[in-house]
Amino acid sequence: GDSVTQMEGPVTLSEEACLTINCTYTATGYPSLFWYVQYPGEGLQLLLKATKADDKGSNKGFEATYRKETTSFHLEKGSVQVSDSAVYFCALYGAGGAQKLVFGQGTRLTINP
Amino acid sequence: NAGVTQTPKFQVLKTGQSMTLQCAQDMNHNSMYWYRQDPGMGLRLIYYSASEGTTDKGEVPNGYNVSRLNKREFSLRLESAAPSQTSVYFCASSVGTGNNQPQHFGDGTRLSIL
Repeated sequence: GDSVTQMEGPVTLSEEACLTINCTYTATGYPSLFWYVQYPGEGLQLLLKATKADDKGSNKGFEATYRKETTSFHLEKGSVQVSDSAVYFCALYGAGGAQKLVFGQGTRLTINP
Repeated sequence: NAGVTQTPKFQVLKTGQSMTLQCAQDMNHNSMYWYRQDPGMGLRLIYYSASEGTTDKGEVPNGYNVSRLNKREFSLRLESAAPSQTSVYFCASSVGTGNNQPQHFGDGTRLSIL
């Protein structure tokens, strides 16, 4: 079945460091890909998305490019802030016509000042 | 500016007790979802309702029932709670089930079964 694999956390960085959180997927068909972010005590919020190969999603300084050849959708940010501390989830939707989101296990990110 | 509202936020139950988790959205969305979040496992879909009057099983439906009461409300019921159902439960909604429709999540219900 469809699945999403994220790099294991937790990830701890200093403020202004570069961030990459790896995400790879297995799916039939051509899924849409998403990154969601969960701040402490809150629900998930959509961070960015890409719906076809080579699309780049971006928001709040974060970027991810849909790479069909490597089945990847890595999340990147050039300079992280303390306020970026959260849990990040990679997800896919719609592969093979399935009407549901499939989530990765989540990566906890902590940014120290 | 409520979005998706879940009640209660916290609940402790004894094994065998029943409980209904409530969810309401004020965005006029057609589709609604219930997920559970467990450590190291991301979110898993329990049930969803593509539109008012329809419900379908997700990945982990056993032990749960749902009711799409109207377009705004989608409840999740545990008839006989078990310790394995200890989890954080999230309700979500979207305009529709198409892959360009982002899901909007509530803040979650933290449920402990003793």
